[in-house]
Amino acid sequence: SQQGEEDPQALSIQEGENATMNCSYKTSINNLQWYRQNSGRGLVHLILIRSNEREKHSGRLRVTLDTSKKSSSLLITASRAADTASYFCARFFYNQGGKLIFGQGTELSVKP
Amino acid sequence: DTAVSQTPKYLVTQMGNDKSIKCEQNLGHDTMYWYKQDSKKFLKIMFSYNNKELIINETVPNRFSPKSPDKAHLNLHINSLELGDSAVYFCASSQGGPYTGELFFGEGSRLTVL
Repeated sequence: SQQGEEDPQALSIQEGENATMNCSYKTSINNLQWYRQNSGRGLVHLILIRSNEREKHSGRLRVTLDTSKKSSSLLITASRAADTASYFCARFFYNQGGKLIFGQGTELSVKP
Repeated sequence: DTAVSQTPKYLVTQMGNDKSIKCEQNLGHDTMYWYKQDSKKFLKIMFSYNNKELIINETVPNRFSPKSPDKAHLNLHINSLELGDSAVYFCASSQGGPYTGELFFGEGSRLTVL
């Protein structure tokens, strides 16, 4: 399938710790995006990384992309309780005008 | 001002009924989408419109009919509702399609079919 996998499905950490979430895919992508979804809310875009990029940063977020392994990771450093949310990676496939395919996400719980 | 707004936020209805969800974006984007999120949080694309033209129809039953009266609006009408239609439906928009950048999502419309 185009979706690939997100790993882990759930992650529970203490405030101050780092959180790492992984995303794999099966077919070539043009870009990969990470989104956050707070409970009962819509998704909010975090970072977009293109297939020719290896790493991007935004504040406490670091995203890496390894196209040879067809995988990406999202690292949240010095986590806060407010980071508690579901995190989704979305893989872009350039056909039919372009489709952004999401998985099931990783549910992150940061305990104070 | 809300960038992407959907109405209603909650919808509870009986099997067999017909219902509509409306979406409006004030971002000036040219592409709008409908996604369905199931109980396991899996988010699946249903439709995509670019400048009122349907560009993605992702094997959705024809009981679902999107309509885009202009590029700022994308509505979703569902006929003969079934139990399996229960989900949260998200509208989203982007400029130039997802290749160029981020999607902006609405807050979702939770549909419960009894």
